[in-house]
Amino acid sequence: EAAVTQSPRNKVAVTGGKVTLSCNQTNNHNNMYWYRQDTGHGLRLIHYSYGAGSTEKGDIPDGYKASRPSQENFSLILELATPSQTSVYFCASGVGGYEQYFGPGTRLTVL
Amino acid sequence: GEQVEQLPSILRVQEGSSASINCSYEDSASNYFPWYKQEPGENPKLIIDIRSNMERKQIQELIVLLDKKAKRFSLHITDTQPGDSAMYFCAANSGGSNYKLTFGKGTLLTVTP
Repeated sequence: EAAVTQSPRNKVAVTGGKVTLSCNQTNNHNNMYWYRQDTGHGLRLIHYSYGAGSTEKGDIPDGYKASRPSQENFSLILELATPSQTSVYFCASGVGGYEQYFGPGTRLTVL
Repeated sequence: GEQVEQLPSILRVQEGSSASINCSYEDSASNYFPWYKQEPGENPKLIIDIRSNMERKQIQELIVLLDKKAKRFSLHITDTQPGDSAMYFCAANSGGSNYKLTFGKGTLLTVTP
Protein backbone atom coordinates (compact mmCIF):
# COMPACT_ATOMS: atom_id res chain seq x y z
CA GLU A 1 0.00 0.00 0.00
CA ALA A 2 1.09 3.56 -0.74
CA ALA A 3 2.99 5.30 2.03
CA VAL A 4 1.56 8.78 2.51
CA THR A 5 2.51 10.92 5.46
CA GLN A 6 1.15 14.26 6.62
CA SER A 7 2.40 16.96 8.94
CA PRO A 8 1.41 18.32 11.29
CA ARG A 9 -1.12 15.80 12.59
CA ASN A 10 -2.85 18.44 14.67
CA LYS A 11 -2.81 22.21 14.28
CA VAL A 12 -4.46 25.10 16.09
CA ALA A 13 -4.38 28.37 14.18
CA VAL A 14 -5.76 31.86 14.70
CA THR A 15 -8.18 33.56 12.36
CA GLY A 16 -6.27 35.48 9.70
CA GLY A 17 -3.12 33.48 10.17
CA LYS A 18 -1.30 31.47 7.52
CA VAL A 19 -1.39 27.67 7.70
CA THR A 20 0.61 25.21 5.64
CA LEU A 21 -0.23 21.53 5.62
CA SER A 22 2.37 19.19 4.17
CA CYS A 23 2.10 15.81 2.51
CA ASN A 24 4.79 13.39 1.39
CA GLN A 25 4.43 10.15 -0.57
CA THR A 26 7.13 7.60 -1.29
CA ASN A 27 5.47 5.54 -4.00
CA ASN A 28 6.27 7.68 -7.01
CA HIS A 29 2.60 8.26 -7.80
CA ASN A 30 2.05 11.06 -10.28
CA ASN A 31 -1.21 12.27 -8.77
CA MET A 32 -1.75 13.81 -5.38
CA TYR A 33 -4.90 15.19 -3.79
CA TRP A 34 -6.09 17.28 -0.87
CA TYR A 35 -9.51 16.62 0.66
CA ARG A 36 -11.35 17.94 3.65
CA GLN A 37 -13.75 15.82 5.64
CA ASP A 38 -16.68 17.25 7.53
CA THR A 39 -19.61 15.46 9.11
CA GLY A 40 -22.44 15.20 6.62
CA HIS A 41 -20.26 16.11 3.64
CA GLY A 42 -18.00 13.14 3.19
CA LEU A 43 -14.69 13.80 1.42
CA ARG A 44 -14.52 16.92 -0.69
CA LEU A 45 -11.69 17.63 -3.12
CA ILE A 46 -9.87 20.92 -2.62
CA HIS A 47 -6.89 20.76 -4.98
CA TYR A 48 -5.02 18.08 -6.87
CA SER A 49 -1.90 17.66 -8.95
CA TYR A 50 -0.79 15.58 -11.91
CA GLY A 51 2.89 15.92 -11.13
CA ALA A 52 5.64 18.22 -9.99
CA GLY A 53 4.85 21.82 -10.80
CA SER A 54 1.14 21.27 -11.51
CA THR A 55 -1.85 22.17 -9.38
CA GLU A 56 -5.51 21.99 -10.30
CA LYS A 57 -8.64 23.27 -8.59
CA GLY A 58 -10.94 20.69 -7.12
CA ASP A 59 -14.54 21.11 -6.13
CA ILE A 60 -14.05 23.52 -3.20
CA PRO A 61 -10.81 25.49 -3.86
CA ASP A 62 -11.86 28.88 -2.48
CA GLY A 63 -9.62 30.02 0.37
CA TYR A 64 -6.94 27.43 -0.39
CA LYS A 65 -3.78 27.30 -2.48
CA ALA A 66 -1.65 24.29 -3.32
CA SER A 67 1.97 23.70 -4.21
CA ARG A 68 3.66 20.64 -5.75
CA PRO A 69 7.39 21.33 -5.71
CA SER A 70 8.38 17.71 -6.32
CA GLN A 71 6.96 14.30 -7.13
CA GLU A 72 6.94 13.44 -3.43
CA ASN A 73 5.57 16.61 -1.82
CA PHE A 74 2.25 18.40 -2.03
CA SER A 75 1.30 21.26 0.27
CA LEU A 76 -2.01 22.93 1.07
CA ILE A 77 -1.82 26.58 2.03
CA LEU A 78 -4.41 28.64 3.85
CA GLU A 79 -3.23 32.24 3.45
CA LEU A 80 -5.89 33.74 5.72
CA ALA A 81 -7.38 31.00 7.86
CA THR A 82 -11.02 31.28 8.89
CA PRO A 83 -13.04 29.29 11.46
CA SER A 84 -15.02 27.72 8.57
CA GLN A 85 -11.79 25.96 7.55
CA THR A 86 -11.77 23.97 10.79
CA SER A 87 -11.82 20.40 9.55
CA VAL A 88 -9.89 17.20 9.06
CA TYR A 89 -7.67 17.34 5.98
CA PHE A 90 -6.55 14.26 4.11
CA CYS A 91 -3.86 14.00 1.49
CA ALA A 92 -3.91 11.14 -0.99
CA SER A 93 -1.73 9.85 -3.78
CA GLY A 94 -2.91 7.83 -6.69
CA VAL A 95 -2.54 6.29 -10.08
CA GLY A 96 -4.46 8.06 -12.82
CA GLY A 97 -8.18 8.18 -12.10
CA TYR A 98 -8.04 4.97 -10.15
CA GLU A 99 -6.79 3.82 -6.77
CA GLN A 100 -6.06 6.53 -4.23
CA TYR A 101 -4.28 5.98 -0.92
CA PHE A 102 -4.81 8.33 1.96
CA GLY A 103 -2.49 9.78 4.55
CA PRO A 104 -3.34 9.73 8.25
CA GLY A 105 -5.01 13.15 8.22
CA THR A 106 -4.46 16.54 9.84
CA ARG A 107 -6.96 17.92 12.33
CA LEU A 108 -7.03 21.72 11.92
CA THR A 109 -8.79 24.03 14.33
CA VAL A 110 -9.04 27.72 13.50
CA LEU A 111 -9.95 29.88 16.47
CA GLY B 1 -18.84 17.28 -12.76
CA GLU B 2 -19.59 13.85 -11.40
CA GLN B 3 -22.15 13.54 -8.60
CA VAL B 4 -22.38 10.46 -6.39
CA GLU B 5 -25.34 9.76 -4.13
CA GLN B 6 -24.98 7.19 -1.35
CA LEU B 7 -27.75 5.59 0.69
CA PRO B 8 -28.49 4.90 3.43
CA SER B 9 -26.56 7.35 5.55
CA ILE B 10 -27.03 5.16 8.64
CA LEU B 11 -27.32 1.37 8.68
CA ARG B 12 -27.67 -0.90 11.65
CA VAL B 13 -27.61 -4.68 11.27
CA GLN B 14 -27.33 -7.69 13.50
CA GLU B 15 -24.15 -9.74 13.56
CA GLY B 16 -24.24 -12.52 10.99
CA SER B 17 -26.70 -10.77 8.70
CA SER B 18 -25.91 -8.95 5.44
CA ALA B 19 -25.50 -5.22 4.94
CA SER B 20 -26.06 -3.40 1.65
CA ILE B 21 -25.05 0.10 0.63
CA ASN B 22 -26.15 1.67 -2.62
CA CYS B 23 -24.61 4.39 -4.74
CA SER B 24 -25.61 6.10 -7.94
CA TYR B 25 -23.59 8.28 -10.29
CA GLU B 26 -24.28 10.63 -13.17
CA ASP B 27 -21.32 10.55 -15.56
CA SER B 28 -21.82 7.71 -18.05
CA ALA B 29 -18.10 7.85 -18.85
CA SER B 30 -17.09 6.91 -15.28
CA ASN B 31 -15.27 3.59 -15.34
CA TYR B 32 -13.88 3.03 -11.85
CA PHE B 33 -15.85 2.59 -8.61
CA PRO B 34 -13.94 2.08 -5.34
CA TRP B 35 -15.21 1.53 -1.83
CA TYR B 36 -13.41 2.83 1.25
CA LYS B 37 -13.78 1.88 4.90
CA GLN B 38 -12.97 4.43 7.59
CA GLU B 39 -12.78 3.58 11.26
CA PRO B 40 -13.03 6.33 13.92
CA GLY B 41 -9.94 8.51 14.00
CA GLU B 42 -8.39 6.72 11.03
CA ASN B 43 -7.94 7.44 7.36
CA PRO B 44 -10.15 5.94 4.63
CA LYS B 45 -8.81 2.63 3.39
CA LEU B 46 -9.55 1.07 0.02
CA ILE B 47 -11.33 -2.25 0.58
CA ILE B 48 -12.65 -3.23 -2.83
CA ASP B 49 -13.15 -1.69 -6.25
CA ILE B 50 -14.72 -2.53 -9.58
CA ARG B 51 -14.09 -1.35 -13.10
CA SER B 52 -16.67 -0.87 -15.79
CA ASN B 53 -15.69 -4.03 -17.64
CA MET B 54 -17.07 -6.08 -14.73
CA GLU B 55 -20.54 -6.51 -13.24
CA ARG B 56 -19.59 -8.31 -10.05
CA LYS B 57 -16.51 -8.63 -7.87
CA GLN B 58 -16.04 -10.49 -4.61
CA ILE B 59 -13.26 -10.38 -2.04
CA GLN B 60 -14.06 -12.67 0.86
CA GLU B 61 -17.24 -11.31 2.48
CA LEU B 62 -17.35 -8.18 0.29
CA ILE B 63 -19.37 -8.17 -2.93
CA VAL B 64 -19.60 -5.24 -5.32
CA LEU B 65 -22.21 -5.08 -8.06
CA LEU B 66 -22.20 -2.62 -10.95
CA ASP B 67 -25.17 -1.79 -13.17
CA LYS B 68 -23.85 0.55 -15.85
CA LYS B 69 -27.19 1.04 -17.55
CA ALA B 70 -28.81 2.24 -14.34
CA LYS B 71 -25.60 4.02 -13.24
CA ARG B 72 -25.71 2.26 -9.91
CA PHE B 73 -23.28 0.23 -7.87
CA SER B 74 -23.54 -1.40 -4.50
CA LEU B 75 -21.52 -2.95 -1.70
CA HIS B 76 -22.78 -6.04 0.07
CA ILE B 77 -21.15 -7.31 3.23
CA THR B 78 -22.17 -10.88 3.98
CA ASP B 79 -22.00 -12.45 7.45
CA THR B 80 -21.28 -9.13 9.14
CA GLN B 81 -19.10 -8.97 12.24
CA PRO B 82 -18.69 -6.22 14.86
CA GLY B 83 -15.35 -5.40 13.20
CA ASP B 84 -17.25 -4.34 10.10
CA SER B 85 -18.69 -1.40 12.02
CA ALA B 86 -17.29 1.73 10.38
CA MET B 87 -18.02 4.51 7.92
CA TYR B 88 -18.11 3.37 4.31
CA PHE B 89 -17.67 5.61 1.28
CA CYS B 90 -18.32 4.87 -2.35
CA ALA B 91 -16.71 6.86 -5.13
CA ALA B 92 -16.64 7.18 -8.89
CA ASN B 93 -14.00 8.60 -11.14
CA SER B 94 -14.57 11.16 -13.85
CA GLY B 95 -14.75 9.77 -17.31
CA GLY B 96 -12.66 12.58 -18.65
CA SER B 97 -8.96 13.03 -18.19
CA ASN B 98 -8.93 14.91 -14.92
CA TYR B 99 -8.22 11.89 -12.71
CA LYS B 100 -10.61 12.80 -9.94
CA LEU B 101 -12.68 10.67 -7.62
CA THR B 102 -16.02 11.98 -6.41
CA PHE B 103 -17.13 10.49 -3.10
CA GLY B 104 -20.54 9.77 -1.68
CA LYS B 105 -21.35 11.26 1.70
CA GLY B 106 -20.84 7.99 3.52
CA THR B 107 -22.76 5.29 5.34
CA LEU B 108 -22.26 4.69 9.05
CA LEU B 109 -22.61 0.94 9.56
CA THR B 110 -23.12 -0.48 13.03
CA VAL B 111 -23.10 -4.24 13.54
CA THR B 112 -24.70 -5.25 16.80
CA PRO B 113 -23.88 -8.53 18.60
